Amino acid sequence: AQSVTQLDSQVPVFEEAPVELRCNYSSSVSVYLFWYVQYPNQGLQLLLKYLSGSTLVKGINGFEAEFNKSQTSFHLRKPSVHISDTAEYFCAVIGSNTGNQFYFGTGTSLTVIP
Amino acid sequence: DTAVSQTPKYLVTQMGNDKSIKCEQNLGHDTMYWYKQDSKKFLKIMFSYNNKELIINETVPNRFSPKSPDKAHLNLHINSLELGDSAVYFCASSQDIRDEQFFGPGTRLTVL
Repeated sequence: AQSVTQLDSQVPVFEEAPVELRCNYSSSVSVYLFWYVQYPNQGLQLLLKYLSGSTLVKGINGFEAEFNKSQTSFHLRKPSVHISDTAEYFCAVIGSNTGNQFYFGTGTSLTVIP
Repeated sequence: DTAVSQTPKYLVTQMGNDKSIKCEQNLGHDTMYWYKQDSKKFLKIMFSYNNKELIINETVPNRFSPKSPDKAHLNLHINSLELGDSAVYFCASSQDIRDEQFFGPGTRLTVL
């Protein structure tokens, strides 16, 4: 069974518009959640992570995500996107139901349109 | 200073050959990983090593074997290469399996 689901494979959005990239995970007693970004022809970089504490997590480049335990979601948001945000975004999870293994979602390709 | 480095960046080879990809991290991390990313960008973890012990071994063909001479290195050896092995391979490291991972730039393998 898949531990993390990214519902949108491609998201086109106009420059300076807001964006939300969705991520849902399988319920677990304890879970750590991450968002990574992959720019073209590069490796993955960490955007932000949720380990515990405040459910609203702020990351680099103006991104933030909210951990919602009741909905088992960890959606990524940015209020105003730039051309440079065009990239592949991966949600990842590690938790007690993944055997302490790190699982990545299938990725969401964000394209910012000028 | 590069945190996680991989060599080579590009690797083009014929079917049936044996090849290796090297990975080094200078972060002092205890855990290193190898991932395969296919043409649809799907990431699949292949191996991870913690203090030179294999702790995750996904169902990859036994033609693939990780080799860790020390904590800072995790090399990937591939025997009898097949067309389906063509992909981008990423090395990564983390302090602990529950920590964020730092990725290398990737090695694009093309099997002809």
